[in-house]
Amino acid sequence: KAGVTQTPRYLIKTRGQQVTLSCSPISGHRSVSWYQQTPGQGLQFLFEYFSETQRNKGNFPGRFSGRQFSNSRSEMNVSTLELGDSALYLCASSLAGSYGYTFGSGTRLTVV
Amino acid sequence: EDKVVQSPLSLVVHEGDTVTLNCSYEVTNFRSLLWYKQEKKAPTFLFMLTSSGIEKKSGRLSSILDKKELSSILNITATQTGDSAIYLCAVVLIQGAQKLVFGQGTRLTINP
Repeated sequence: KAGVTQTPRYLIKTRGQQVTLSCSPISGHRSVSWYQQTPGQGLQFLFEYFSETQRNKGNFPGRFSGRQFSNSRSEMNVSTLELGDSALYLCASSLAGSYGYTFGSGTRLTVV
Repeated sequence: EDKVVQSPLSLVVHEGDTVTLNCSYEVTNFRSLLWYKQEKKAPTFLFMLTSSGIEKKSGRLSSILDKKELSSILNITATQTGDSAIYLCAVVLIQGAQKLVFGQGTRLTINP
């Protein structure tokens, strides 16, 4: 079965712009969570969606937002980009209530 | 604040050596602990451990959780160059919905 698909793979944006990243979970998985990975901070939890509802949110500013559609695909949006937003953004999908988190290959965002 | 700490942050060994990676945690609402291997982008699942203390094994890899010490170790015996990767430890919390808190990761390099 297909894995977790994230698009685009790479993005270069300038400060002040906004960006939208997409994540398609494994078929049947209803939970999608997002993480930011940087060399200094490691993997940090952004938010988790289940059945179109945000169930949990990490300690990130309001510029980071997300949503989930009825087909479980999820998008995250970052507005007013800052240089410090440069990172690998990973999403993971899982069946509700299970621990089988499967990660996508991520979107590498570079802000210049 | 929930915290997961891995040590060492970086380790270089020769092929054939045995390595032990450490993960300690200070969290509330602990549910389980996960180990992942990250070679390029997508972390791949290795083990899930719970407070039962049961050791998990897969080939040359094994892991166990010590609930008294609030820590876990990941052992790799007879290391191979293909074991070179970042090893991530994550604690699953129950906070309304499940949430993963990651350690900084251990970068393991195996030299031939």
